[in-house]
Amino acid sequence: EIVLTQSPGTLSLSAGERASLSCRASQSVSSYLAWYQQKPGQPPRLLIYAASTRATGIPDRFSGGGSGTDFTLTISRLEPEDFAVYYCQHYGSSRAFGQGTKVEIK
Amino acid sequence: EVQLLESGGGLVQPGGSLRLSCAASGFTFSSYAMSWVRQAPGEGLEWVAAITDSGGDTYHADSVKGRFTISRDNSKKTLYLQMSSLRADDTAMYYCAKGSRESRPYYFDFWGQGALVTVSS
Repeated sequence: EIVLTQSPGTLSLSAGERASLSCRASQSVSSYLAWYQQKPGQPPRLLIYAASTRATGIPDRFSGGGSGTDFTLTISRLEPEDFAVYYCQHYGSSRAFGQGTKVEIK
Repeated sequence: EVQLLESGGGLVQPGGSLRLSCAASGFTFSSYAMSWVRQAPGEGLEWVAAITDSGGDTYHADSVKGRFTISRDNSKKTLYLQMSSLRADDTAMYYCAKGSRESRPYYFDFWGQGALVTVSS
């Protein structure tokens, strides 16, 4: 069973700063890695798939990278609406989600 | 516009049963895999069950295997989750999620607003 570990658990930053979120897989997932954003009271929203491809309508301040076991979601300059919880997910041989990283206002 | 509308949630006693429905619109329902994903209060996301476009293949998480059954009716553009032998730890928001293609591998490109299931006496 593939386990995804996200770090840090919480990221405290100010608007305008750069955010880097990590997702590490217990074994190689190739590029079958997606990132989702979830705000309070809302369902998750797809941000990135295939490790680095932005979903339709996602601003280019969001970027994904990595392959194999180590992946990163980067938000180049945080906007007020970006403060949320972010999940990674492997969608190849399993459908495992990471435990999430909360990006909060410092 | 893709829309997924869940219904059927509510309060149920331990050991009870409930059936969730997800009405789909805005896309060719019969061409895409579908899933249920749940989220316990204050917790992360947990995949629950998946079904291929035709309904010919289904998959269930170990935590619900033997108790939950996913199904679909393509003529009604509706996804279902039959839940039985419910336990307190099944309490969660249940989301219907559209797969990006007809079968694996697929990510979830659209999500419904969710149906809340509370298991309590």
